[in-house]
Parts: sequence; structure tokens; C-alpha cells
Amino acid sequence: DAGITQSPRHKVTETGTPVTLRCHQTENHRYMYWYRQDPGHGLRLIHYSYGVKDTDKGEVSDGYSVSRSKTEDFLLTLESATSSQTSVYFCATKLGAAGDTIYFGEGSWLTVV
Amino acid sequence: GENVEQHPSTLSVQEGDSAVIKCTYSDSASNYFPWYKQELGKRPQLIIDIRSNVGEKKDQRIAVTLNKTAKHFSLHITETQPEDSAVYFCAADQSGSARQLTFGSGTQLTVLP
Repeated sequence: DAGITQSPRHKVTETGTPVTLRCHQTENHRYMYWYRQDPGHGLRLIHYSYGVKDTDKGEVSDGYSVSRSKTEDFLLTLESATSSQTSVYFCATKLGAAGDTIYFGEGSWLTVV
Repeated sequence: GENVEQHPSTLSVQEGDSAVIKCTYSDSASNYFPWYKQELGKRPQLIIDIRSNVGEKKDQRIAVTLNKTAKHFSLHITETQPEDSAVYFCAADQSGSARQLTFGSGTQLTVLP
């Protein structure tokens, strides 16, 4: 599973507070992705990275920012958490070429109260 | 961007019967189509994938077919077993540098003993 570690795995936070989720990978994969999973919506892409300091927005990026200062780490920040951001967040990575397998981390359960 | 539609959203079959899940996609430039299985509380895991230069691929009881002209692909599970019960997601990659995946909304498969 590409040695992907997400932290924290579970978090409860209050509306309006900032939250950072961390994804750490040990396989030197070039591409990293953050998805959120909600009932009835499958997995939706928030942001992705195609290299150190190279990131771009996905389909549901509003209210989220990301950073990738090292190959192995991809951080997702909720600048001011809202109840609509209560979700399960999955990090995913891919080695490089088109058609390479995308591997998922174990997920981070976030509840905003 | 890419749009992936998946049907049915729920599927119940008797143990030993076959199950078929269908997906359509919109981006004619997509050329990689994976299927993921997700058990409750776990990460999505790749079970089979197909690339656009192939029409069908099999792996034991699982097969995937692709019709690029019609822009649809299907997952076939034969001789279903209770451990096949899970949520299944289809996906298609998007054109662009990161070839990120767009997912269908998922199918809850229940295999009845």
C-alpha cells in the first residue's frame, strides 16, 4: 500500500478552527492526492500535487489549501473548519506514469461540531 | 472535466450468482479505468484495472470490459461469495499532467448466503 501514513486518523474540532491533516509516504511517489468521501458522492478530489511545491485544485477545493515542501509529505489544511467539511479524507499516491496504480492511505475521519 | 456515472447504487445477489456493475465516462481522452473495492471503515483497494488498448481483462472471478466507442466499462464478478460484499467504485483518469482519477459514486454489493 505504498507506505502511506495519514495523521491524525480521527479528529473532532470546532467550527471556525484551522485543521491540518498530514499524509506521509515512503515510496518516493511523485504524485499525491487528497480526496474526501461522503455518502452518495463517492470520492471527490480536493487538491493534488505533481511534485515538490507543485500543486493544483481539484473539483471541491473551496475552503482547503495544501502544501508539499518535501516529496514524502502532503499537507491538507482546512483554514476555518465548517460542518460541511465533516467527512472522511483519503490521501493517495502514484509513482509517476499515466496508468500507474493509485494507492490510498487509511483515511482520516474528521468531525466538525 | 471528467464525469463518471455508476449504476446501480445498490445490488443484492445470491451467493454463487454473478454481479455486474456498469460505469460511463465523458472524457474521450481517458485511457485508464481502475476498479476499487472498499470494505466498511477501510481504504479503497484496487482489484482490477484496464487500459484503453484492451477490451477485456480477467483475474480469476473478476473481469472488466471496456467499450471506448460507447464510453462505458463494466465490472463482472462471477460465483459471488459473502466476502465480495463491499462498496465498489469505478474510476477514469483525466487528461492532464497528473492523470488524476474521477470516481463513480459507488455500488454497495451485498451477497446473500
